[in-house]
Amino acid sequence: GDQVEQSPSALSLHEGTSSALRCNFTTTTRSVQWFRQNSRGSLINLFYLASGTKENGRLKSAFDSKELYSTLHIRDAQLEDSGTYFCAAGDTGGADRLTFGKGTQLIIQP
Amino acid sequence: GPKVLQIPSHQIIDMGQMVTLNCDPVSNHLYFYWYKQILGQQMEFLVNFYNGKVMEKSKLFKDQFSVERPDGSYFTLKIQPTALEDSAVYFCASSLEAAGNTLYFGEGSRLIVV
Repeated sequence: GDQVEQSPSALSLHEGTSSALRCNFTTTTRSVQWFRQNSRGSLINLFYLASGTKENGRLKSAFDSKELYSTLHIRDAQLEDSGTYFCAAGDTGGADRLTFGKGTQLIIQP
Repeated sequence: GPKVLQIPSHQIIDMGQMVTLNCDPVSNHLYFYWYKQILGQQMEFLVNFYNGKVMEKSKLFKDQFSVERPDGSYFTLKIQPTALEDSAVYFCASSLEAAGNTLYFGEGSRLIVV
């Protein structure tokens, strides 16, 4: 199976609402990165976590390396939050080889 | 934030021809990566590169693929010869150090092999 299982695969939210995306890891993971890919295909860095939680504006992410999961919370969703969100697991080996999930396609509706 | 630049943004090429994708990584970064994304699918690791050498490569990094960074210039991915299944978006990334660091990605080079 996949090393990184991302859910849900698609999500539709109304503006102003909140929700959470999740990644489960099937093997030990040193770190996690979250990205948003916009309609042009650009990957935007959201968070890098080796443990604990980080917050940036309306986004908050947590990583539990023991329970092997990470979450991304989106509060007060705005239209510009639309895109595909990817989590990526950082390898426990040497160089940072990232293993990506299949992504969550998020659509924010007015 | 830090920028990784990729040239070209798009290229259409005949099957069997050679293509070189260029990446200008973040200036003080030491580790460089190529990832491949087929339309609608997840990103997949191809190769990472440090100090002039390939550190690790995946099974997607076929014999027709090669990478180099001559004299600190562009970090390049060369495919020779190209095949239809090489059509994808290729993303370059760089990081400051090997472990425990954020990877910064370029905007991708869309390759179409016809």
